Formats: sequence, C-alpha cells, structure tokens
Amino acid sequence: DTGVSQNPRHKITKRGQNVTFRCDPISEHNRLYWYRQTLGQGPEFLTYFQNEAQLEKSRLLSDRFSAERPKGSFSTLEIQRTEQGDSAMYLCASSLRTGGYEQYFGPGTRLTVT
Amino acid sequence: GESVGLHLPTLSVQEGDNSIINCAYSNSASDYFIWYKQESGKGPQFIIDIRSNMDKRQGQRVTVLLNKTVKHLSLQIAATQPGDSAVYFCAENTGANSKLTFGKGITLSVRP
Repeated sequence: DTGVSQNPRHKITKRGQNVTFRCDPISEHNRLYWYRQTLGQGPEFLTYFQNEAQLEKSRLLSDRFSAERPKGSFSTLEIQRTEQGDSAMYLCASSLRTGGYEQYFGPGTRLTVT
Repeated sequence: GESVGLHLPTLSVQEGDNSIINCAYSNSASDYFIWYKQESGKGPQFIIDIRSNMDKRQGQRVTVLLNKTVKHLSLQIAATQPGDSAVYFCAENTGANSKLTFGKGITLSVRP
C-alpha cells in the first residue's frame, strides 16, 4: 500500500497524559498537512510542512500541541497534558509541491481522552 | 465555521438514480476546489477537483460544476450505487500553502 499511513489508529488516554501520533506520507510528496476532525464536522487545518519546514500553524494549535517533520519524510504530532476537548480524529494528508493541489488523506488516528 | 452538530444534512436517493450534492463556499478568492468522500472510520477520499478557471469537470460517473458568481459548487453522481453511501465534503483552497477549508458534510444514503 503506497498511500498515507498513520499510527496508531486508535488511542485512549487519560486526561493529563501526553500522546504522540505518527504520519508517513506518500513517498514522493513533500507537503504534509495535519487536520483535526470532530464528530459531524469537516476536517479543520492544524499545520503544514513543506519538506522539514513547518510553514503555517492554525490558531487551533495551542501551546500543548507540537508537530515535527525532522527529515522531511514522516511527521509526528504530540499533544501534551491532554484534555477531554482534544478527543477527535487526527488526520494527516500529503501532496506534491508541483502539479495539482490534491491532498491525499490517511486513515486518521482516533483519540479519546477520558 | 457554522456548526451543524451531530446531525448532518442527508440526501436519500434510489439506487440507479443520479445524485446532486450542493455546496456553498465562502471565499471568492479560492482558486481550487475538491470533493471528498468519507466513509465511517476512514479518512477523506479524493473524488474530483476543479480549478477556478473552469466551470465543469467530468470524471468517471462524477461531474463537478462550479458557479463562481454565486460561489456554488455541486457534485453530480450518475447511476448512484450502494457503495456511494458516505459523507461528502467540498473543500476550497486559498493561498500558497494549499491548506483546505472544508464545508459542511452531507450524508448520501442510497436505498436499494
């Protein structure tokens, strides 16, 4: 399977714990995006990387959230001191810099904070 | 954006009929639009896209229409099949970073 992959698929954590998610984009794609989706809503943009550079962050991304893409390939999204309001599906997408703007999404990581 | 809570608008169609899903977008500067299909527990799946210099684009069984005057986008699905049942989102892109802003989802339910 050469699509976008995300791990873990599901994560249940207690409030106050830290969690980290991983995204592996399509191999030749140099743009990587993180989105958050809550039940009944469309995905909301969180942050964007071009290669290893984080070029844009949404105001939704509080100080407890940090994302990295150290070698311009896979990316991690960490949430510190999780809150119940962080419960959501976290989606990763990737695209090519040149050509079309199509973003291809991974299956997402479902986070539940108890 | 405006919240619709847990209850998405639903379009119910008979198998074999054509479906039309509509979307109003917000930013007149948006230059690119995408339709995504999302099945339960999965990430959004790319269906078709259109650039702002076009008003119609066709794919396999799907057509996207863009009316920039009224900022309206539609997705037409021909001969709707049970496998088309899902939530459909339109998304618009504005700006160099190509981040997408998603519209309200619409649930398509196909009756056998």
